[in-house]
Amino acid sequence: QVQLVESGGGVVQPGGSLRLSCAASGFTFSSYGMHWVRQAPGKGLEWVAFIRYDGSNKYYADSVKGRFTISRDNSKNTLYLQMNSLRAEDTAVYYCAKAESTTNYWYFDLWGRGTLVTVSS
Amino acid sequence: DIQLTQSPSFLSASVGDRVTITCRASQGISSYLAWYQQKPGKAPKLLIYAASTLQSGVPSRFSGSGSGTEFTLTISSLQPEDFATYYCQQLNSYPLLTFGGGTKVEIK
Repeated sequence: QVQLVESGGGVVQPGGSLRLSCAASGFTFSSYGMHWVRQAPGKGLEWVAFIRYDGSNKYYADSVKGRFTISRDNSKNTLYLQMNSLRAEDTAVYYCAKAESTTNYWYFDLWGRGTLVTVSS
Repeated sequence: DIQLTQSPSFLSASVGDRVTITCRASQGISSYLAWYQQKPGKAPKLLIYAASTLQSGVPSRFSGSGSGTEFTLTISSLQPEDFATYYCQQLNSYPLLTFGGGTKVEIK
């Protein structure tokens, strides 16, 4: 079954850390770039981070740069997001998404169900 | 950074209505635009990519058009299962990308 399953969310105090995981199955994980996207309660979608299929390149939104680190373990078919120095504004559902392209046009064709991160004292 | 502005942010429509949502980019993005549908508590679902290419399995009542800075998503005959929030996404600067603010389609 082709799917992405996030885990690791929870409640954390401001300034704390959390590591999210995204387990992939049903496709060749090591062939695809992967993204994290978040959605604050009642708000729209915000792109967070990207990692190339082999982990060689990583990109971040300005809002998380220097605090979040994206990584992957292709031997375990798992994507990660290490979140440090968390702030209240990082409270959101975090989704992992698989990137696909057709004739150089990119899109996200597979999303996980999301994991909720709440930053609160 | 490329900004995307969706309009309207909210619309009320009836089953069978033709619905059009607009997405404007702050600079030209060719056809590097995708549309997603999101229902409450669910992950977004890809509808259209490359501005006008329908994703496999998506009903043909959905269509996309446009290039450059102005894009539209049209639902030709709104169905009960189409009540949801719709987002555009620019991928011109991939892997750096942005989403529009969303358009919530509700039942009139």
